[in-house]
Amino acid sequence: DADVTQTPRNRITKTGKRIMLECSQTKGHDRMYWYRQDPGLGLRLIYYSFDVKDINKGEISDGYSVSRQAQAKFSLSLESAIPNQTALYFCATSDLGKARSGANVLTFGAGSRLTVL
Amino acid sequence: SQELEQSPQSLIVQEGKNLTINCTSSKTLYGLYWYKQKYGEGLIFLMMLQKGGEEKSHEKITAKLDEKKQQSSLHITASQPSHAGIYLCGADITGTASKLTFGTGTRLQVTL
Repeated sequence: DADVTQTPRNRITKTGKRIMLECSQTKGHDRMYWYRQDPGLGLRLIYYSFDVKDINKGEISDGYSVSRQAQAKFSLSLESAIPNQTALYFCATSDLGKARSGANVLTFGAGSRLTVL
Repeated sequence: SQELEQSPQSLIVQEGKNLTINCTSSKTLYGLYWYKQKYGEGLIFLMMLQKGGEEKSHEKITAKLDEKKQQSSLHITASQPSHAGIYLCGADITGTASKLTFGTGTRLQVTL
């Protein structure tokens, strides 16, 4: 099984629908992140979490919400999906202990491709 | 505007040729990370650089961080079809190691 698992891998939905993307990890990492990837724009950070009680907004959090249900689970919700939220979404994790030494190496899931019609 | 600029945006090289991808920041790079992404898939970590002037190599890929810690290059020697994909640089530009900012990516195609 993958260290970082994202579900669903692909989803097509309609404008106005509520969508949840789920992420679970077996690496025991403290930190979890949600990024979106758009052609020509690279990866942009949506939200990140350092532990269950610590949630932080990234650069493009508007229209999104997150929930850290447990150390291993971090879900991303779109309350009312719109077409410009069509993108490839990535969940990533990193180890706080290593980050303290300055090395914040992210481990990525395989991505969730979302299309909003 | 993008905090991390990558160049070129795309690259087509013949198998066996060398190539270089650049990642430039207007801010100090406290940690610079290179990732590779196969089309439509997740990102695979390649290398991390922290010290000015640092250079690391893995197989035929060499990454360098300049002395001023504002630019990094990724060099591939004798490219192979397996090198094809999207290369992204990610950086800690806050100095807190709390999150990474990514460049726009460089799409590499290797022709036979």
